Amino acid sequence: GAVVSQHPSRVICKSGTSVKIECRSLDFQATTMFWYRQFPKQSLMLMATSNEGSKATYEQGVEKDKFLINHASLTLSTLTVTSAHPEDSSFYICSAGTGATNEKLLFGSGTQLSVL
Amino acid sequence: GENVEQHPSTLSVQEGDSAVIKCTYSDSASNYFPWYKQELGKGPQLIIDIRSNVGEKKDQRIAVTLNKTAKHFSLHITETQPEDSAVYFCAASRGGKLIFGQGTELSVKP
Repeated sequence: GAVVSQHPSRVICKSGTSVKIECRSLDFQATTMFWYRQFPKQSLMLMATSNEGSKATYEQGVEKDKFLINHASLTLSTLTVTSAHPEDSSFYICSAGTGATNEKLLFGSGTQLSVL
Repeated sequence: GENVEQHPSTLSVQEGDSAVIKCTYSDSASNYFPWYKQELGKGPQLIIDIRSNVGEKKDQRIAVTLNKTAKHFSLHITETQPEDSAVYFCAASRGGKLIFGQGTELSVKP
């Protein structure tokens, strides 16, 4: 069945390095993918909407130069956290729309980013 | 924009009891209302959803009700089991963009 696969599940990096997170749709094509960020015991905050073949749409307050999103194919979207700092440490989750209206979101398993 | 309020933030019930989580939304144009279950360290999993043209939907032990006039919707879990323990999120959507509530941490005690 349709699955959203996200990798890596956990990454630890040094401050100043860049980290890439991959999100793949398995057994379906995703023209639109969404990237969320979640702090401990808090809700999911939408960061950006990623559309295949076009630029991502970022939510207010999200730095597009900091969080680079690429959606080069119908099955893959990537989020790159550039020059990561400790305050970027968070749980990042991607999702893809399914169903006739693309409203049913399937979520990946998330990536726990820890920046030292 | 849309704003979704969810209550309670924590809920503890005995195994076999029912659990109810309530959400209100602000945008009357929202037309899709899913509920997600999130276990620790994992992504959210869709458990049930409802559209604005339906007042109630049931799937085994889980049901969702929607009151469009009052702009609120609720999740009902009957005969709760320890494996129901998780964080539950409601959400509202118009045009595919989901806005989530703050979450409810449900604890089912055996």
